[in-house]
Amino acid sequence: DAGVIQSPRHEVTEMGQEVTLRCKPISGHDYLFWYRQTMMRGLELLIYFNNNVPIDDSGMPEDRFSAKMPNASFSTLKIQPSEPRDSAVYFCASSFATSGRASYNEQFFGPGTRLTVL
Amino acid sequence: QKEVEQDPGPLSVPEGAIVSLNCTYSNSAFQYFMWYRQYSRKGPELLMYTYSSGNKEDGRFTAQVDKSSKYISLFIRDSQPSDSATYLCAMKNRGSTLGRLYFGRGTQLTVWP
Repeated sequence: DAGVIQSPRHEVTEMGQEVTLRCKPISGHDYLFWYRQTMMRGLELLIYFNNNVPIDDSGMPEDRFSAKMPNASFSTLKIQPSEPRDSAVYFCASSFATSGRASYNEQFFGPGTRLTVL
Repeated sequence: QKEVEQDPGPLSVPEGAIVSLNCTYSNSAFQYFMWYRQYSRKGPELLMYTYSSGNKEDGRFTAQVDKSSKYISLFIRDSQPSDSATYLCAMKNRGSTLGRLYFGRGTQLTVWP
């Protein structure tokens, strides 16, 4: 398996522009997570899905952020309009509820998208 | 106050040193404790996991959980330059509807030759 795939790997945009980050989870996984990582705040959970349904979006910072999961193999995180304070590395992760480490729900992370908003 | 606190470091040690990484937490419902390792410009990967209190050893790595003190540790013996990474602790409720992990900020470790 190729693991969790994220695109783009790097994104540089100007303030006010729309940004769309994409994620393909590991096939068969039923949980998908979006995280944001910065030096100041560490790894923050933004939103997570179970079977394509959003379960907890309390970490989404504001209405400028939205996430969708139209099917089991694809999710997007959109920022509109983007601001310089959104600059961070955004990770997507997936997990499977009944894996061998079921109780730990090991999360498999993608390589991340490094977003810079000028 | 965050539910999981972790000193971000950075921590710099010579090769062969014993490294101690720690996290404290406030939620007594946490039952599952994990350590993730994150190399530069990569995503985190699960390194070790422990259920409830006690110790677990895996090669040069030992994970300890002290639930009475709400304190977990990761020890690295005979540290190697290849151990240089950021180490994040993570925790989960037993009764949680799966999935949600609570992460520490991560401690950046450098092991120099």
